[in-house]
Amino acid sequence: DTAVSQTPKYLVTQMGNDKSIKCEQNLGHDTMYWYKQDSKKFLKIMFSYNNKELIINETVPNRFSPKSPDKAHLNLHINSLELGDSAVYFCASSHSSGGVQPQHFGDGTRLSIL
Amino acid sequence: QKEVEQDPGPLSVPEGAIVSLNCTYSNSAFQYFMWYRQYSRKGPELLMYTYSSGNKEDGRFTAQVDKSSKYISLFIRDSQPSDSATYLCATSNAGNMLTFGGGTRLMVKP
Repeated sequence: DTAVSQTPKYLVTQMGNDKSIKCEQNLGHDTMYWYKQDSKKFLKIMFSYNNKELIINETVPNRFSPKSPDKAHLNLHINSLELGDSAVYFCASSHSSGGVQPQHFGDGTRLSIL
Repeated sequence: QKEVEQDPGPLSVPEGAIVSLNCTYSNSAFQYFMWYRQYSRKGPELLMYTYSSGNKEDGRFTAQVDKSSKYISLFIRDSQPSDSATYLCATSNAGNMLTFGGGTRLMVKP
């Protein structure tokens, strides 16, 4: 009955590789997000999709490409991984209407670049 | 200067103590304020959500917003070891773009 689930939980890979992280939510939300949490615990928005359309795209290298096949899924593909990409990546979801809506988070994907 | 600032702690208190966690923010346009709790190796979970100034209470938790001083507080009464976690404040002015503080790590000792 997991609300927001991400796979994989851990990802260890070499610099220069390409990898993907998947996210699914079963809350019936129409908006999904990707956040990056660095070693100092700062959570920073990367992308937001509403009904499969990109609505927030913060200053993120274009090596990061989100894809939303439907409003319950938002995947993140990362090309040419760099050491600085090591972080925890969180997926979240929310409703979009009625003011600012609380966001529900997955448990994160811990990405380590060797 | 970050838009939302929190003391990273750690804050260590004995079980049963009243805990006060605080954030300051710089953008006066922020109107929505949230507190999230994050356990180790888990995602943030929403604890409290308030709009504009004032207080909101939910069980042992009270959230307080003072927009005149751009100060947000979370009080935890009768703190328990299970409250040990990192507490993140988050703010927004509109839309669904949240700005988070860096979190305060709380340790409640039995």
